[in-house]
Amino acid sequence: AQKITQTQPGMFVQEKEAVTLDCTYDTSDQSYGLFWYKQPSSGEMIFLIYQGSYDEQNATEGRYSLNFQKARKSANLVISASQLGDSAMYFCAMREALFMDTGRRALTFGSGTRLQVQP
Amino acid sequence: DAGITQSPRHKVTETGTPVTLRCHQTENHRYMYWYRQDPGHGLRLIHYSYGVKDTDKGEVSDGYSVSRSKTEDFLLTLESATSSQTSVYFCAIMQGANTEAFFGQGTRLTVV
Repeated sequence: AQKITQTQPGMFVQEKEAVTLDCTYDTSDQSYGLFWYKQPSSGEMIFLIYQGSYDEQNATEGRYSLNFQKARKSANLVISASQLGDSAMYFCAMREALFMDTGRRALTFGSGTRLQVQP
Repeated sequence: DAGITQSPRHKVTETGTPVTLRCHQTENHRYMYWYRQDPGHGLRLIHYSYGVKDTDKGEVSDGYSVSRSKTEDFLLTLESATSSQTSVYFCAIMQGANTEAFFGQGTRLTVV
């Protein structure tokens, strides 16, 4: 079974509008972390935002926020006021068992969503 | 920026030849990972290391081996390259469990 599911292969958004990129996950662990990365056409992986399963508040980083719904196992990325430079692939990732011997865990990635911001 | 470099950045090799990719970090992070990226699959874990000489397999480890004899270097070897191993390979480092992973620039490998 897929641990991370991103159901939107591609998304379009108008410049200055907000957009939500979906991510659902599957884990039986109580402690886990969720990450979002951006990959522009140049290829590098850029960390955007992190949400811990024990965090009571949704994470925010500038124009990025994470809509974390633990019971639904979803961790959607919200980008406010989209800019042309936001056009990129976006990956959701999860790390399980945060407080165990973490050497045996790694980031598991979804298949990504390609976002295109239109002027 | 995190000090992580991959070499080479691009490589074309022939089927059946061995290939070694290098990941070097200057951050003294404990955890190092090798991923491959293919269209439609995101990043898939090949092998990872949680300390010197401590390594383990990921979900797509067949045909690959790794070594970590020093904290700063994590080598990925394709023992006998096949066309299905044509991909972009990323190395990542992580300091702790709930910290982000920093990625290298990637290595584009083509097996012909």
